[in-house]
Amino acid sequence: DIQLTQSPSTLSASVGDRVTITCRASQSISSWLAWYQQKPGKAPKLLIQKASILESGVSSRFSGSGSGTDFTLTISSLQPDDFATYYCQQYSKLYIFGQGTKLEIK
Amino acid sequence: EVQLLESGGGLVQPGGSLRLSCAASGFDFSSFSMSWVRQAPGKGLEWLLGFSINPDRGILYADSVEGRFTISRDNSKNMLYLQINRLRADDTAIYYCVKRSGGYGMGGFDFWGQGTTVTVSS
Repeated sequence: DIQLTQSPSTLSASVGDRVTITCRASQSISSWLAWYQQKPGKAPKLLIQKASILESGVSSRFSGSGSGTDFTLTISSLQPDDFATYYCQQYSKLYIFGQGTKLEIK
Repeated sequence: EVQLLESGGGLVQPGGSLRLSCAASGFDFSSFSMSWVRQAPGKGLEWLLGFSINPDRGILYADSVEGRFTISRDNSKNMLYLQINRLRADDTAIYYCVKRSGGYGMGGFDFWGQGTTVTVSS
């Protein structure tokens, strides 16, 4: 099984900060990685596919990078609406989600 | 506008069965891979099973799915279903119907339903 490990599990940051969330795969998944944002009580929202391709309508403050086993999600300047939980997901073999990173207000 | 609307959740006793439904609209349902994802209270996302993008591969299952889960679809009605048998307390979760996005290399789930809650308890 391919496993995904996100770090950190919790991230405290302030509005305006630049933050990075990391997702590491247990084996190479090429660029077959997606990122999601989930707010309490809501369904997840797809942000990025194929590691770096931003979904239509998603703010350009979000960016993704990486290939192989190491990937990052970066938010360039945190806005109040960005505080949420973020998940990575691989679709190289079946579908596996990372355990999530909760982005909290400092 | 793409919409996915789940129904069928509720309170079920351990050992019971449940059939969840997902009504899809706003896209060519028969042309897209669909899956079920669940989220236990306070926990992360867990993909359960879904239709492969390759029709020859049929249905894909998470390793954790033990044969108690069955997915089916009725393309004539734009409906997706999930049958869960021998329900256990750890099946308590929100169950989401999800659509896989199209296009080469685009394997994310671009649309999600609002979820239907299944609670397994005596």
